[in-house]
Amino acid sequence: GAVVSQHPSRVICKSGTSVKIECRSLDFQATTMFWYRQFPKQSLMLMATSNEGSKATYEQGVEKDKFLINHASLTLSTLTVTSAHPEDSSFYICSARRQGVTYNEQFFGPGTRLTVL
Amino acid sequence: AQRVTQPEKLLSVFKGAPVELKCNYSYSGSPELFWYVQYSRQRLQLLLRHISRESIKGFTADLNKGETSFHLKKPFAQEEDSAMYYCALHSGGYQKVTFGTGTKLQVIP
Repeated sequence: GAVVSQHPSRVICKSGTSVKIECRSLDFQATTMFWYRQFPKQSLMLMATSNEGSKATYEQGVEKDKFLINHASLTLSTLTVTSAHPEDSSFYICSARRQGVTYNEQFFGPGTRLTVL
Repeated sequence: AQRVTQPEKLLSVFKGAPVELKCNYSYSGSPELFWYVQYSRQRLQLLLRHISRESIKGFTADLNKGETSFHLKKPFAQEEDSAMYYCALHSGGYQKVTFGTGTKLQVIP
């Protein structure tokens, strides 16, 4: 099967610092990866679509200067939360779309729990 | 704009009873609809997709374009079916996914 990993699984940081979260597709290439945010007991909210070799596409209301996305290779996308504040505390999930398949299937990472003190 | 609606936040059924998790969508194009499941402390995973018309773990879902619905059904609920279920619509050139708010299924022994 297709596996997507995220690192770290949880991170605690001080307010004002930056945090980088990695999303890797382990056994397939992904031209497109997605970053979601999930609040407690709520659904996933798409933050941005990350495309290998080009700029990410951000959803309305998501600050691109705060949530920096870099899709440097076909197996790696990173989300950097810059100058983090307590309200950025959340569960961040990435997914990767497997290249070349007929179905529009996404494979999800296990998520990263970010806590900003 | 596309939207996915799951009207029930929580659905409790007894073991062996039929299950129906409702999902309605709004989309101007040709939709691709999916059900995802998230078991306790596990990642989100694909349950089934409308295009393949498959049955997974006894669950089925039929796309009804007239009613713009994609309800998830299972004739006899099992305890291991207890989880969060998300209906999702895939669209757009980059295959953007819009999720419903999710329904927590609780199967009572």
